[in-house]
Amino acid sequence: SAVISQKPSRDICQRGTSLTIQCQVDSQVTMMFWYRQQPGQSLTLIATANQGSEATYESGFVIDKFPISRPNLTFSTLTVSNMSPEDSSIYLCSVALQQNSYEQYFGPGTRLTVT
Amino acid sequence: DAKTTQPTSMDCAEGRAANLPCNHSTISGNEYVYWYRQIHSQGPQYIIHGLKNNETNEMASLIITEDRKSSTLILPHATLRDTAVYYCIVRPFSGAGSYQLTFGKGTKLSVIP
Repeated sequence: SAVISQKPSRDICQRGTSLTIQCQVDSQVTMMFWYRQQPGQSLTLIATANQGSEATYESGFVIDKFPISRPNLTFSTLTVSNMSPEDSSIYLCSVALQQNSYEQYFGPGTRLTVT
Repeated sequence: DAKTTQPTSMDCAEGRAANLPCNHSTISGNEYVYWYRQIHSQGPQYIIHGLKNNETNEMASLIITEDRKSSTLILPHATLRDTAVYYCIVRPFSGAGSYQLTFGKGTKLSVIP
């Protein structure tokens, strides 16, 4: 299994600013992912954080808006840039221990409110 | 297009079995059925997965029809802590898309005292 922590757990930010969310895993993992969960909605995959290379973004998400770093096998950050109220969501980090692992582990999420 | 269809919500009496259905009529031969749940204010949690045989673990049982077009997640003795949104997901075990979880709207299960 894997234990995932995220910082901050929640934040209230002003529009036009940026917030960096950290994801820390207690063991080395192959795959790390970032999801967004808008209020009352299901989870949507933003991108796969690749160690040593650029993240792979899903349709509708771009690097300028959601830059991602993954400097090693246990840590990743997601930045929400130039925020607007529409970015108010819960952002979740998840990991898979191996590429074909059937189980993904999720962090507790970061609740972001943009005013 | 959604690959799975689930009822929006269900109620279950505490101590009784909760049976959550999922329709996945377009499932491909290399796709597994996965179930996750999300308790309020927490990240999703893996429950169980299967290909074509029925599966059971310490949390639940998964019954997949012979034609694989639908499945049922069974929580044998539901408790209040099982109140959550349950997601049925299909994805290939390997190859392209094997690591992606595409979440639908899920079923909100309310366990009633």
